[in-house]
Amino acid sequence: QKEVEQDPGPLSVPEGAIVSLNCTYSNSAFQYFMWYRQYSRKGPELLMYTYSSGNKEDGRFTAQVDKSSKYISLFIRDSQPSDSATYLCAMSGGSNYKLTFGKGTLLTVNP
Amino acid sequence: KAGVTQTPRYLIKTRGQQVTLSCSPISGHRSVSWYQQTPGQGLQFLFEYFSETQRNKGNFPGRFSGRQFSNSRSEMNVSTLELGDSALYLCASSTGLAGGNTGELFFGEGSRLTVL
Repeated sequence: QKEVEQDPGPLSVPEGAIVSLNCTYSNSAFQYFMWYRQYSRKGPELLMYTYSSGNKEDGRFTAQVDKSSKYISLFIRDSQPSDSATYLCAMSGGSNYKLTFGKGTLLTVNP
Repeated sequence: KAGVTQTPRYLIKTRGQQVTLSCSPISGHRSVSWYQQTPGQGLQFLFEYFSETQRNKGNFPGRFSGRQFSNSRSEMNVSTLELGDSALYLCASSTGLAGGNTGELFFGEGSRLTVL
């Protein structure tokens, strides 16, 4: 079992839709959870950061972490064509200082 | 503030050759990490350097190596190239190990390597 599992999609939604992106993980030592966004031909950029369990909201984006289920989510409200990108979850924790990434979900928001 | 700069952006090599990729981190960042990104495996961690010392290493063969200079610039080298080494190689810098307290890595645009 891979440490981090993420459905690669692709996911295609109409403009204005609510998008739900998810990752599961197996390493209980993870306590820092991040979502990165990667546009085509660009490097990933940090979108959201959450420590431990709970919710965090930033504009149209909400990140949720459920450590008991080892499950994290990113919700995008009122999705826009400019949100079209690959979304990667990432996490770290424990004694091994490195970020472990999911494979990424390709999202297309159609006007 | 200048971002992370990677050179070259694109390169084509043949099997058996070696390649050196360069990364200039954001000014003031002491940590540089390298990742390999492929459609099949996603983003895989190669190694991280902090203050010229390798602090962490991923599960890649010894053909993959790196180093960091006193000005925090970093290079990675791949020797005896194989077809499977074709990938986007991303460099990321941060203030602390593994992105520090916020996990924020600042990525460059990558070096796309094609091995024929």
